[in-house]
Amino acid sequence: RKEVEQDPGPFNVPEGATVAFNCTYSNSASQSFFWYRQDCRKEPKLLMSVYSSGNEDGRFTAQLNRASQYISLLIRDSKLSDSATYLCVVTSVLQGNLIFGKGTKLSVKP
Amino acid sequence: DGGITQSPKYLFRKEGQNVTLSCEQNLNHDAMYWYRQDPGQGLRLIYYSQIVNDFQKGDIAEGYSVSREKKESFPLTVTSAQKNPTAFYLCASSIPARTYEQYFGPGTRLTVT
Repeated sequence: RKEVEQDPGPFNVPEGATVAFNCTYSNSASQSFFWYRQDCRKEPKLLMSVYSSGNEDGRFTAQLNRASQYISLLIRDSKLSDSATYLCVVTSVLQGNLIFGKGTKLSVKP
Repeated sequence: DGGITQSPKYLFRKEGQNVTLSCEQNLNHDAMYWYRQDPGQGLRLIYYSQIVNDFQKGDIAEGYSVSREKKESFPLTVTSAQKNPTAFYLCASSIPARTYEQYFGPGTRLTVT
């Protein structure tokens, strides 16, 4: 089982739609969780951290389910500018470094 | 403006040649990282450095070498021993206490033929 797994997509949604991505991680001892965003042929950028109690940043909501070892990202009222690949990231238990998922591609259409 | 620069953006080399990718940051970050990204793949850690004159191997260090002589600079050499060097190489930096918040450079696309 891969350490971090994501549905690669693509998720094709119309503007204004709500879309959700899930991600599963294999190591139950993982401590920290994040979502990064990567635009086509660009570098990744931190989108938001994921807290146990769930957290929201504008139109974005992140949730963590430790029992099931999955993380989710919900985007409400999708904008064209949300089109990107969303990377699920967890910290390595051994080294503390980041482990990246392969990403889920989102395409928001007019 | 603070940030990370990588040069060049595109690099072409012949098989069997070593090539060095540049990474410079002026964010005053102690920690720096090198990742490799292949199409449809997640980022994989090559090497990282938490402090000047010290660095550790990541998950795929074979065929690569690094140096950290200055806080601002963390060059990566792709040697001829690297079997599949063609990839998108990303450099990042962070404050050691916040390794999750990594700032990435724009990347270098290396093509070896």
